[in-house]
Amino acid sequence: AQKVTQAQTEISVVEKEDVTLDCVYETRDTTYYLFWYKQPPSGELVFLIRRNSFDEQNEISGRYSWNFQKSTSSFNFTITASQVVDSAVYFCALSVWENYGGATNKLIFGTGTLLAVQP
Amino acid sequence: GAGVSQSPRYKVAKRGQDVALRCDPISGHVSLFWYQQALGQGPEFLTYFQNEAQLDKSGLPSDRFFAERPEGSVSTLKIQRTQQEDSAVYLCASTHGEALSYEQYFGPGTRLTVT
Repeated sequence: AQKVTQAQTEISVVEKEDVTLDCVYETRDTTYYLFWYKQPPSGELVFLIRRNSFDEQNEISGRYSWNFQKSTSSFNFTITASQVVDSAVYFCALSVWENYGGATNKLIFGTGTLLAVQP
Repeated sequence: GAGVSQSPRYKVAKRGQDVALRCDPISGHVSLFWYQQALGQGPEFLTYFQNEAQLDKSGLPSDRFFAERPEGSVSTLKIQRTQQEDSAVYLCASTHGEALSYEQYFGPGTRLTVT
C-alpha cells in the first residue's frame, strides 16, 4: 500500500528561525516521485518541488532545502530564516503508477503540516 | 497564461439536492484529476481522465458521484442527493502529460457545504 505520513500537525516558530517539516512515505514501487506543495490561506495548492526515486541529491532553492533519504523513506523540507509569508499548510505527496484497467499517476497526500510563523 | 479554474468557488446545498462542479484545466493539458479535501486533511484522489477517457474512478466514494469530460477539456463533477458528509473542498488538477514526473497544477477549489 502507498502512504504518506506527516507526523507534525502544527508547528509554530518565530520569524528568522529555521524549521524542518518531516515526511515519511511507504511504497513497494521502485519508481516513484515525491512532491511538496504549499497551501496558503487562499486555498490553492502551489507546487514547490519534485524528486524522483533514483535521485537522492539534496536540493536547495533559496531559503528552501530538501533532504531525500531512501534508507529511511523520508523526504524532509527545511525553511531557513522563516518569514511570516511562509505561514501555510505544507503537504508532502507521493506519485506512483497504479493499474485499474489503465495506469494512473494520482498523488497520494499526507495530512499536512500547518506552519505558523510569528513576527 | 491562465491557470486551472473552478466554478463555483462556493456552493451551499440542502441535503438531497444535486450539485455540479466545473473545472477548466490549463489549455492543452491531457490529464485531469479530481480530489476531495475534507477540513484539516490532505486531498484525496477521486478520479482521473486522460483526454475524454475516465481511466480511474476508484476514489469516488459512492455511486452518487459522477464525473465527465466529454470533449477532453472541461470536466464536471456531479454529486447526486448530497449528504452532509459530502461537505468538503473539491479540487481539480491538470497536467500536460501522463508521466509520473509531471507536477499537477491545481485550481482554487470549490467549497461545498451541505446543510
